[in-house]
Amino acid sequence: QQQVKQSPQSLIVQKGGISIINCAYENTAFDYFPWYQQFPGKGPALLIAIRPDVSEKKEGRFTISFNKSAKQFSLHIMDSQPGDSATYFCAASRMDSSYKLIFGSGTRLLVRP
Amino acid sequence: EAGVTQSPTHLIKTRGQQATLRCSPISGHTSVYWYQQALGLGLQFLLWYDEGEERNRGNFPPRFSGRQFPNYSSELNVNALELEDSALYLCASSSGTRAAGELFFGEGSRLTVL
Repeated sequence: QQQVKQSPQSLIVQKGGISIINCAYENTAFDYFPWYQQFPGKGPALLIAIRPDVSEKKEGRFTISFNKSAKQFSLHIMDSQPGDSATYFCAASRMDSSYKLIFGSGTRLLVRP
Repeated sequence: EAGVTQSPTHLIKTRGQQATLRCSPISGHTSVYWYQQALGLGLQFLLWYDEGEERNRGNFPPRFSGRQFPNYSSELNVNALELEDSALYLCASSSGTRAAGELFFGEGSRLTVL
């Protein structure tokens, strides 16, 4: 019930294309869904996050789509750039006193020039 | 503003030894989290400290332990090292405890167990 399943494991996209990464969760008590971006040799950094009261959130070229009934959420990167090449992690948590983030297994994105 | 700092950057130990990893959170942050990032397994939650107290721990054996000091820095200890403990250990800090918010990660300490 605590798992967050992420796919695909790796993704290759041409420059200018759309990158799509999907995540599914089991625990219906989760109410915070962030995406983290990690470059080689660096720690993960928050990219964008969504709460279940909205179905979509957009920040620049990055969009989270959220489907509460299906218990799924996805990250879309529009006009993908080589600088977007990184590992992306979805995560989920509960907003209570036992706060902790449960991460997906990560997607390694390569954007070809 | 300084980010989360971790030391050492790299650590090589042999089976059965003990490893100690250190973390300094962002100034003003009271919560410190430890995660293990093993190859292909994503980030696995290890421990959460806030205000000097252990608030939660993940599904790891008791030989993984730690503490948080009065200045909110933290230490992760791994006793009786096993080969499968080889991983990147990430520390993160945040300013909130009851409201889910952004975690700020350090660059990690890479532990290699031979």
